[in-house]
This record gives sequence, C-alpha cells and structure tokens, in this order.
Amino acid sequence: SQQGEEDPQALSIQEGENATMNCSYKTSINNLQWYRQNSGRGLVHLILIRSNEREKHSGRLRVTLDTSKKSSSLLITASRAADTASYFCATDGTSGSRLTFGEGTQLTVNP
Amino acid sequence: DTGVSQNPRHKITKRGQNVTFRCDPISEHNRLYWYRQTLGQGPEFLTYFQNEAQLEKSRLLSDRFSAERPKGSFSTLEIQRTEQGDSAMYLCASSPVGSGTEAFFGQGTRLTVV
Repeated sequence: SQQGEEDPQALSIQEGENATMNCSYKTSINNLQWYRQNSGRGLVHLILIRSNEREKHSGRLRVTLDTSKKSSSLLITASRAADTASYFCATDGTSGSRLTFGEGTQLTVNP
Repeated sequence: DTGVSQNPRHKITKRGQNVTFRCDPISEHNRLYWYRQTLGQGPEFLTYFQNEAQLEKSRLLSDRFSAERPKGSFSTLEIQRTEQGDSAMYLCASSPVGSGTEAFFGQGTRLTVV
C-alpha cells in the first residue's frame, strides 16, 4: 500500500459546512503536503507543513500534523461547491526527493 | 504560460505500439518528476531527474519504459510495446532543488491502450 492513506475515501457535505480529511503515513518524513485535483486535471499544491510544525493555516485551510501518530488532517472551513475535488496528502521522505501520495479523499460539496 | 506543460493531453494507441510523451517544466526548476495515476488512485512515482541526471527510478518503471532529459530542460517518457495495463494518466511535475518545496504539476497525458 502507499505511504499515505486518506480517510475517508469519500465525503459529501453541504455548502457552508466544514470538511475534515485525515491522512496517515508510515515512515519518517521531512514534510507533508496536501494537493487538490479536479477531475481529469493535474494536481495543485495547497499547503506544506514541516515535520517540526504542528499546525498551519492558509485562508480557509487548516492543517495539523502529529508526527508521534504519523497522521495529518486537512480542514476546509465554510466549504463551497467549487471545493469539490479529490484531495491527496503527500509525504516528502528524509531523502528529500520523491513525493509519496495517498489514495485521496473525494470531496463533494453540494450547493 | 509559465507552468508545466505536457503534450499530448490525450493519446489513444493500439497495443504493441510505442508512445512518447513530452514535459516542459518551469524553466528555473532543476528537478523533474514523472508519476502515473490510475482511476481512483493517487499518483505513483516513476522517476525523477535533477538537471539532466536521472537520480531515481521506481520498480514500476519496467524495461519498456524509458525517460530522458537530455539538456536538463524538457523531458520525454517513452513506453515501448504498450500493454492495456499501461492505460493511465501520466503526470509530470517540477520543483526547485531542496526538500520542503512544493511540486508544480502539469495537466497530464491520458493514455488509452486499446
């Protein structure tokens, strides 16, 4: 299985609600990143959190990292229909080269 | 457009044919990555270059796959004797040297082997 595993696999919410996605990983990391992918398109970087950070904010996004549990969460507040996409976590191992992605969470925000 | 560019966007080929994809990274980025993504899955790492040197290859990259980055700028990914299992989205990304930097992805090339 891949390094990162997202939970849940699919999430459906109403516009205005908050969406929380979780990611677990297995090995030591330098950083953890979250990406978004609209259907059939490339990935867009959302936010990066370093292994020595515990929480980071960017606009409506809040990311937490717990290295003792090897887990991260992505919170999207006040969701919009345009947030509908797949969201992936990716870890940057200690070698600092490749990114290892999880299987993603498919988020659907209903208007 | 200063983003990562991939061509073609779509490719349909018959089993057994060879295909080649091209990726033009962001010009000042030293690192270039190839990933493969199948439906409902996350991207899987194939290989990466730092300038013209291919520094890492995944075991997913069988001997039918070859990637080049001859002048440290654009890169090509060739698949020889395509099989139906090669059908996937092939994504290219680039980043500056150094860990802790985001990767910038192209729109991908969707390959369908019939």
